[in-house]
Amino acid sequence: SQQGEEDPQALSIQEGENATMNCSYKTSINNLQWYRQNSGRGLVHLILIRSNEREKHSGRLRVTLDTSKKSSSLLITASRAADTASYFCATSQGAQKLVFGQGTRLTINP
Amino acid sequence: DAGITQSPRHKVTETGTPVTLRCHQTENHRYMYWYRQDPGHGLRLIHYSYGVKDTDKGEVSDGYSVSRSKTEDFLLTLESATSSQTSVYFCAISDGGTDTQYFGPGTRLTVL
Repeated sequence: SQQGEEDPQALSIQEGENATMNCSYKTSINNLQWYRQNSGRGLVHLILIRSNEREKHSGRLRVTLDTSKKSSSLLITASRAADTASYFCATSQGAQKLVFGQGTRLTINP
Repeated sequence: DAGITQSPRHKVTETGTPVTLRCHQTENHRYMYWYRQDPGHGLRLIHYSYGVKDTDKGEVSDGYSVSRSKTEDFLLTLESATSSQTSVYFCAISDGGTDTQYFGPGTRLTVL
């Protein structure tokens, strides 16, 4: 069974707008990561947030983590056409294994 | 793709035939993983390796076996392919530091 569940499953916005994706998970975690997958390609790591962190930034990306609600959000600001991709959250409980959610398909319209 | 290659990139085979997919890394990372990706299921872990000759099962290991005789190579074998194994297969590696994984380009397998 999947640990992480992304919401929404699909999101379509205009270029320049902000995009927010959410991830919920079921059990305690060591860290939570976000990955991007462009069509026909492998996943690319974007950002990792540890269980004792609440917010993290990387360029136009902002990730929050609420361990009490077992949820995380990924915000992409000032979206670009190149941000069109699927985004996955992945949770780690240790043991060097990740459990991935089903992903959010993001489309940026020019 | 972080020094990871997968071969073949595409394969069409028939039910009942054996199939071996290869993952090769040049990063000298300890951990290697095989996932399958299907619509509606995201990525699911098939098998992983935590060192040469050290492997363990993942969430969907039935019908698959793996081998790792060298640090750089991780093989996934379907002993007798079935149509339900039609999928895109991804290899990933990790150095074991932060759980971050780096993915290969994927292999699209079709079992007729």
